Amino acid sequence: GEDVEQSLFLSVREGDSSVINCTYTDSSSTYLYWYKQEPGAGLQLLTYIFSNMDMKQDQRLTVLLNKKDKHLSLRIADTQTGDSAIYFCAGGGGSNYKLTFGKGTLLTVNP
Amino acid sequence: DVKVTQSSRYLVKRTGEKVFLECVQDMDHENMFWYRQDPGLGLRLIYFSYDVKMKEKGDIPEGYSVSREKKERFSLILESASTNQTSMYLCASSLVGTQYEQYFGPGTRLTVT
Repeated sequence: GEDVEQSLFLSVREGDSSVINCTYTDSSSTYLYWYKQEPGAGLQLLTYIFSNMDMKQDQRLTVLLNKKDKHLSLRIADTQTGDSAIYFCAGGGGSNYKLTFGKGTLLTVNP
Repeated sequence: DVKVTQSSRYLVKRTGEKVFLECVQDMDHENMFWYRQDPGLGLRLIYFSYDVKMKEKGDIPEGYSVSREKKERFSLILESASTNQTSMYLCASSLVGTQYEQYFGPGTRLTVT
């Protein structure tokens, strides 16, 4: 089945850009998602990209997809302390309804 | 906005008890999911349902069962709770046609003592 890998931790200074990386194994993944989880809360869908796109921008968020390398990244511009959270990459596709999640990257934003 | 609610935010149960976790969504979604989240392991799918009375096992169904009698409600049942089922349980739902875009509830933190 699909495997999704992410680095576990990232620490940045307030105002800097954050880049969270993800790799996936299943080339048939049709949709790739980024979710955010704040402490004690469920997951919130942040953004997504279809596999036929290379880039998607949504305000401070930029998603880049390199299909050849099966690499996905989330860039957060002008990172704020409110961006501190766990970020999950997830892939979906194929014949069922499942999403496969990475283990999550804990982003810590230091003032 | 899609709203997914879970019956409890925190639950403490004893080993051997039967535990019910309830999830309700208000957007007429066909698909519903139960995950558990553990530190260092991420989210793991327990069961999902793509229609009323229909269910499929996820990656870690052992020790769990589910029930979906109505479209809006999906229940996770721990027949005999064990300490290794202490975890955060997350429910999600999605619409057919956008089936990979899942909306999550706030989670239930279950402690089994």
